[in-house]
Amino acid sequence: EDQVTQSPEALRLQEGESSSLNCSYTVSGLRGLFWYRQDPGKGPEFLFTLYSAGEEKEKERLKATLTKKESFLHITAPKPEDSATYLCAVQAGGNTGKLIFGQGTTLQVKP
Amino acid sequence: GAVVSQHPSRVICKSGTSVKIECRSLDFQATTMFWYRQFPKQSLMLMATSNEGSKATYEQGVEKDKFLINHASLTLSTLTVTSAHPEDSSFYICSARAPGRAYNSPLHFGNGTRLTVT
Repeated sequence: EDQVTQSPEALRLQEGESSSLNCSYTVSGLRGLFWYRQDPGKGPEFLFTLYSAGEEKEKERLKATLTKKESFLHITAPKPEDSATYLCAVQAGGNTGKLIFGQGTTLQVKP
Repeated sequence: GAVVSQHPSRVICKSGTSVKIECRSLDFQATTMFWYRQFPKQSLMLMATSNEGSKATYEQGVEKDKFLINHASLTLSTLTVTSAHPEDSSFYICSARAPGRAYNSPLHFGNGTRLTVT
């Protein structure tokens, strides 16, 4: 069964304190791994797509990496506005196009 | 580009009534849309895949007679929660993929609909 597990469930950081979020997955035939940001009461906002092991993507203070079993979202020198829930999702083999989401990591960055 | 809009953003209804939620792709045509449900502090659970001009594909455990999906045009999919009960209270989110992209390109999400059944 395809599965996505994120850790930690919640993370509190001081402004400027770098850290990483983990997304472990088991999937039959990975077609893509996606990172989203979700603010309270809003829909997920797309951040990154990773398609193969070894791939890395960066955007401002965020960097996503991918191995054959997990992905990391590295946050460098976070700011309070980075506070949100970060969701990881995978798309398995086949042509359905649907995404399977992890439980998310809720990040709080204190000034 | 690839903007997905949902309406309403919030709805409160009485137990036993039906509620319709609209999902529109504003700047593109979507032959497929996905409906998700999210409980507080939990992840998104896929409910069904909406296909333009044909029947929706429901995930295991989702009652198709309770959650009616209609995808009558390339820019509009609707989810109707029939005979709503308090346990149907949740955050419903739709998504779509921009056309012409690979089938594994990112999904773009609407801003969700908060349904409260009293």
